[in-house]
Parts: sequence; structure tokens; C-alpha cells
Amino acid sequence: SAVISQKPSRDICQRGTSLTIQCQVDSQVTMMFWYRQQPGQSLTLIATANQGSEATYESGFVIDKFPISRPNLTFSTLTVSNMSPEDSSIYLCSVGDDNEQFFGPGTRLTVL
Amino acid sequence: RKEVEQDPGPFNVPEGATVAFNCTYSNSASQSFFWYRQDCRKEPKLLMSVYSSGNEDGRFTAQLNRASQYISLLIRDSKLSDSATYLCVVNGGAYSGAGSYQLTFGKGTKLSVIP
Repeated sequence: SAVISQKPSRDICQRGTSLTIQCQVDSQVTMMFWYRQQPGQSLTLIATANQGSEATYESGFVIDKFPISRPNLTFSTLTVSNMSPEDSSIYLCSVGDDNEQFFGPGTRLTVL
Repeated sequence: RKEVEQDPGPFNVPEGATVAFNCTYSNSASQSFFWYRQDCRKEPKLLMSVYSSGNEDGRFTAQLNRASQYISLLIRDSKLSDSATYLCVVNGGAYSGAGSYQLTFGKGTKLSVIP
């Protein structure tokens, strides 16, 4: 298993600003994943973050909007840039493999 | 067609009842199947994996029908603590790199167990 923490747990932001979300894992992992869960919707994978290389983004998500850093094997950040109300969502990081994914507690973002 | 489809519910059942959730998936290349549980305002957590032969864990039974691309979860003797949203999760068959495959989540089925 893995213990994952995220900061901040929640935030209210003004449109046009950016927010960086931090994800810390208690063990070294090769891949970290960033998901978004909009109200009443399923979890949607934003990108996969590998240490030492650029993140791999899913269809509909671009690096300019969601830049990701992965400086080491236990830490990653996701930035939500130039926010609009449509970015209001829960953002979750996760680690795992084909057998199980462990999720952080999520960051609840509200954009006014 | 949605990749993973679930009845959103809500399912409101009395304590002790048996309840079944269904899920269909569209990608025939999917290889792994799971049920996750998500409590209100919490992160999802793995409830159980789903195997072709069907598997049981206490009051929970999961079944997979690959031909019909259909997954089910049966909860017997429902407890108040079973109240949560149950997410059907499928390995999407899309390679994410470094030996892992992308997971695709259904929207979830909400269960409320009533005293």
C-alpha cells in the first residue's frame, strides 16, 4: 500500500489565476497519476508523471494548461493555469499498478 | 458509447437487503476489472478485483462476463456502513507507458442503506 498526501486540501481561487497542487508519497514510485473528478462525473485521467521525463497527457489535456513536475520518485505537482469556473473540480493524485491504485485525499478547487 | 457505464442510482435499500450493481464496458481489449468504493468527500479505495471465474469477499461477490462485457457486484446483508458510491473500473487497454495500462472509471452507483 501507499500513503499519499496532497496540499492544499481545498482552495477558492479567482479566474485567471493559477494553483499548484502538491502530491507526496511515502515510498518511491515510478509513475504518479493525476486525475480530475468534476461534480457528478467519473474520474478522468489528466496525465501520467514519470520521474526524469515529460508527463504524458491524455486527450483533452495539454501541458500549457496543466503543467506537471516530477522532481523525484516521491513527489509531484500539478498546476492548474489561467483558471476558469469550468476548472472547479476535485484533483487527485494516485500511484499504483495494474492491480491497485492508491489515491490521495484530493484537492477541492473552486474557481469564482 | 461511454467507455464504462453504470446505473447512477441512487439505490436506497433497508439494512439486511441484498443489492446488485451492474456495469458495462466498451473496450473489448480491457484486461483487468475492479470495483472501487468512494465515500462522500473521500478518495476512491479498492473494494475488490473482478476475476473471470467470479470472486467473493465476505458479503461481496463480483462477477465478470467477458462475452457480454458486463461486470456485477452483489452485496448481501447490507450494512449502514456500506453506504457509499461504488465505482466500476476497467483497465482501458490503453498503454500508459512503463508497464501500466490506463484505468477508466465509471461515474459510480450511489448506495444508501437505510436503518
